[in-house]
Amino acid sequence: GAVVSQHPSRVICKSGTSVKIECRSLDFQATTMFWYRQFPKQSLMLMATSNEGSKATYEQGVEKDKFLINHASLTLSTLTVTSAHPEDSSFYICSARGGGDQPQHFGDGTRLSIL
Amino acid sequence: AQTVTQSQPEMSVQEAETVTLSCTYDTSESDYYLFWYKQPPSRQMILVIRQEAYKQQNATENRFSVNFQKAAKSFSLKISDSQLGDAAMYFCAYSGNTPLVFGKGTRLSVIA
Repeated sequence: GAVVSQHPSRVICKSGTSVKIECRSLDFQATTMFWYRQFPKQSLMLMATSNEGSKATYEQGVEKDKFLINHASLTLSTLTVTSAHPEDSSFYICSARGGGDQPQHFGDGTRLSIL
Repeated sequence: AQTVTQSQPEMSVQEAETVTLSCTYDTSESDYYLFWYKQPPSRQMILVIRQEAYKQQNATENRFSVNFQKAAKSFSLKISDSQLGDAAMYFCAYSGNTPLVFGKGTRLSVIA
């Protein structure tokens, strides 16, 4: 089946640091990738949608300069949390989808903790 | 905008019994997909079952089945012969011409 690899799984860093999270589709070409954020005991909230080779589309309220998304190839998207602060601490999950009516496949998520 | 509503924040079921999780949604699209995802404590998102809106037949995957009522915009999940490993958060999700939209989730506990 379709596999999405997300790395790292856990990050702990100091306030002010920038953190990059990678999302790779291992056995299919992901024409579209999605980034979600999940606070404790809450649902997944879509942050942005990215198509390979074009700029990401951000959901309302998500700062594009804070959360930089790059989708340079059909198998890789990255999310960079710039100058992270404690309020950015959360669980970030990526998802990838191939063409047509293929479902979204999820990575295992990244738990980000900013001290 | 599409919305997904799960009205049961928590549910519990006795092991080997059957439980039904409710989900309703709102959309003006005619062509879409509905999903149930399971999120265990590891926080992986595991696809449980998928239903295409154009199909009248309810989807089934082993012990998991859905009751899809298109006119009522209802999409409930039935878990038969519940097992301890079924304990998790369950999210109902909608996808049309948009990325997946999730409900708030139902936390299912399984009692031995």
